[in-house]
Amino acid sequence: DSGVTQTPKHLITATGQRVTLRCSPRSGDLSVYWYQQSLDQGLQFLIQYYNGEERAKGNILERFSAQQFPDLHSELNLSSLELGDSALYFCASSVDPGQGNTIYFGEGSWLTVV
Amino acid sequence: QQQVKQSPQSLIVQKGGIPIINCAYENTAFDYFPWYQQFPGKGPALLIAIRPDVSEKKEGRFTISFNKSAKQFSLHIMDSQPGDSATYFCAASTQGGSEKLVFGKGTKLTVNP
Repeated sequence: DSGVTQTPKHLITATGQRVTLRCSPRSGDLSVYWYQQSLDQGLQFLIQYYNGEERAKGNILERFSAQQFPDLHSELNLSSLELGDSALYFCASSVDPGQGNTIYFGEGSWLTVV
Repeated sequence: QQQVKQSPQSLIVQKGGIPIINCAYENTAFDYFPWYQQFPGKGPALLIAIRPDVSEKKEGRFTISFNKSAKQFSLHIMDSQPGDSATYFCAASTQGGSEKLVFGKGTKLTVNP
């Protein structure tokens, strides 16, 4: 158990809908990362937050947004969902973004868009 | 554009064998190269990592070999066990740590008893 908690574990929704994925980082970790894992694209970095502020942005679509709250949990919002958004979404956390700090992944949220 | 190319896609070895997984990168600004292990239903977990000032790093049965001039690095698993059966990902970043990791597409390793 990495200590990173993600909910829900599985989610099935229709095209055009909006969903929110939730992540609680490991105790003491200030940085949260979101990754998308799909068969064709592999593991792709979406976005990172550090202590409530956006720190880095990757291949995140404009239909997607995220935030990190004062209690350090994070939410990834996916809107206007398309079939191609079906994937496993991972949250990860680390103490801070500095050198040598390991990031710990949660078990992911499976999103199926039908 | 795939910045980190990983091969092979899948690998089957017998118990005790030494599977080798290779990765190649193009961005010379990469300065941190971790390997992750992922079991079905779980998230990736850091296995071992190396920085470009070192050519080899060992942790237990796992060894990373790094060739800076060739822009390649590889994972060797000594005395492989059935419990090592998992998907392995190489990755790279330019931040010296774990920010904006770029992952290879993964290698599914099967170790037969």
